[in-house]
Amino acid sequence: GAVVSQHPSRVICKSGTSVKIECRSLDFQATTMFWYRQFPKKSLMLMATSNEGSKATYEQGVEKDKFLINHASLTLSTLTVTSAHPEDSSFYICSARRERYEQYFGPGTRLTVT
Amino acid sequence: AQTVTQSQPEMSVQEAETVTLSCTYDTSESDYYLFWYKQPPSRQMILVIRQEAYKQQNATENRFSVNFQKAAKSFSLKISDSQLGDAAMYFCAWKNYGGSQGNLIFGKGTKLSVKP
Repeated sequence: GAVVSQHPSRVICKSGTSVKIECRSLDFQATTMFWYRQFPKKSLMLMATSNEGSKATYEQGVEKDKFLINHASLTLSTLTVTSAHPEDSSFYICSARRERYEQYFGPGTRLTVT
Repeated sequence: AQTVTQSQPEMSVQEAETVTLSCTYDTSESDYYLFWYKQPPSRQMILVIRQEAYKQQNATENRFSVNFQKAAKSFSLKISDSQLGDAAMYFCAWKNYGGSQGNLIFGKGTKLSVKP
């Protein structure tokens, strides 16, 4: 089956610093990748959709200057949380679409901002 | 706008028994996909089962089956012979049929507990 990896799985950073999360599709090319945020005991909230080679499309209410998304290749998308604050602490999940409906999820990254 | 509703925040089932998780959705589109995803404590999202709206036959995957009622916009998941490993959050999701466009619309989830 299709595998999507995320790195790091956990990260702790200080308030004001930036942190980058990588999402890779290991055995398929993904023209579209998605970034989600999940609060404890809540559903997944779509943050943005990224297509390889073009700018990401952000959902309403998501600050594009704070959450920088780059989809540089068909197998890699990155999410950079800039000037992180404690309220940015959350579980971030990426997903990669292989074909029309097949969407595979990474294992997630737990971000803690102190 | 499309919405997905899971009316059961929590469910419990005895090991080896059968449980049904409910999901309803609202859409004006005629062609779409419906999914059930499982999220165990590891937080890894796992696809359980998929249904294409144009197919009348209900999808099945081993112990997992769905009851798809298109007119009623209902998409329930039945888990037979429940196992301890089935304990997880289950999310119902909808996606339009339009090629590479569109993203998954998730329900709020149902937490399933399995009692030994």
